[in-house]
Amino acid sequence: EVQLVESGGGLIQPGGSLRLSCAVSGLTVSNNYMGWVRQAPGKGLEWVSVIYSGGSKHYADFVKGRFTISRDNSKNTLYLQMNSLRAEDTAVYYCAGAPYFNSGWFDPWGQGTLVTVSS
Amino acid sequence: QSVLTQPPSVSGAPGQRVTISCTGSSSNIGASYDVHWYQQLPGTAPKLLIYGNNNRPSGVPDRFSGSKSGTSASLAITGLQAEDEADYCCQSYDSSLSGWVFGGGTKLTVL
Repeated sequence: EVQLVESGGGLIQPGGSLRLSCAVSGLTVSNNYMGWVRQAPGKGLEWVSVIYSGGSKHYADFVKGRFTISRDNSKNTLYLQMNSLRAEDTAVYYCAGAPYFNSGWFDPWGQGTLVTVSS
Repeated sequence: QSVLTQPPSVSGAPGQRVTISCTGSSSNIGASYDVHWYQQLPGTAPKLLIYGNNNRPSGVPDRFSGSKSGTSASLAITGLQAEDEADYCCQSYDSSLSGWVFGGGTKLTVL
């Protein structure tokens, strides 16, 4: 059974940094396309970033230059380094298997970790 | 404001059929990118419900079906059950944004 378990969320002040982790079991992170999707309170889902098995990375425009996706193959873990956080980054962040092509889908999903950006 | 437009809410009585629409544009659904649907039960993570417009992952009942035409897609649920009460969200790819896009979600209430 595939499991994705996020951690690292919490309350952070505007301008601060946070690193989210996603521990994966049942599939090899380095051999798969992985990504992050977020959901602001009461809002819809938003794609944030993906990393492909070959190592290329892609970001939504609203996080470019502020967020960095990475992985640790030895720990089979996906990360999202978030810098210069803004109030509008407040959301539940989900780790998920990313689409293998433009017409693809996100599956499976972790349970999410809440990030609250507030002073 | 989401790139894909969904009605905020729909409702139906047990046993009835309901549909949820997902309207896009020429840069996403209309550009022949596939549409996928997710079910999000209260307080839980999204779960893939329909992929590739009309395909069900293993374990998803055949009461759930998807369709796509032009710049829109629809999710149909027949034989509505109490446990279907959830948020439903569509997803596609947008060539103008060079990224994946989601609908704002539709809350299904089973009366």
